[in-house]
Amino acid sequence: EPEVTQTPSHQVTQMGQEVILRCVPISNHLYFYWYRQILGQKVEFLVSFYNNEISEKSEIFDDQFSVERPDGSNFTLKIRSTKLEDSAMYFCASSELAGGSEQYFGPGTRLTVT
Amino acid sequence: QKEVEQDPGPLSVPEGAIVSLNCTYSNSAFQYFMWYRQYSRKGPELLMYTYSSGNKEDGRFTAQVDKSSKYISLFIRDSQPSDSATYLCAMRPNTGNQFYFGTGTSLTVIP
Repeated sequence: EPEVTQTPSHQVTQMGQEVILRCVPISNHLYFYWYRQILGQKVEFLVSFYNNEISEKSEIFDDQFSVERPDGSNFTLKIRSTKLEDSAMYFCASSELAGGSEQYFGPGTRLTVT
Repeated sequence: QKEVEQDPGPLSVPEGAIVSLNCTYSNSAFQYFMWYRQYSRKGPELLMYTYSSGNKEDGRFTAQVDKSSKYISLFIRDSQPSDSATYLCAMRPNTGNQFYFGTGTSLTVIP
């Protein structure tokens, strides 16, 4: 069964450093998403991406965040200058259709900022 | 942000019990309603989704949406220890891609 994969599973970084989280969506999916889940809190939408551009973003997705699809298979989330409050699980998701009620999530990357 | 409310539990039931999980919401624009299951340290796994009001059944799982009450439910029949997980509700309006999640309900099914 096809699945979304994410690397690394755990990333530790120092405050102020840049991190790139990587995702490989399901191969025939065209819509891609990033969510985050701070420990003990709700899963929160960050951004959706289609046809090489951002289609929607939340208030959380400010100028320190960026997304990219550098090739035909990877989808990345970059955090330019990490803060302590960026520590969270980051989930990538993908869907075949627009609107994406059937969004399939990856296993997540645990980001720890020290 | 209190658009979606979900009792975090924890909920503990004996094997074979019927489990009822619920969410309420405030935004009448929500049209798509999803249930995800999340095992510890894993990503959310889509169980079911429904559009607008009504019921949807898939095996031991039944999802119900009551838009007039802004209330959705997931029923699990003949619960199994393997059903032990956190169950997340999520919803979105007719347009846009943003999902709004509940906090999740932690369920333990005791053998």
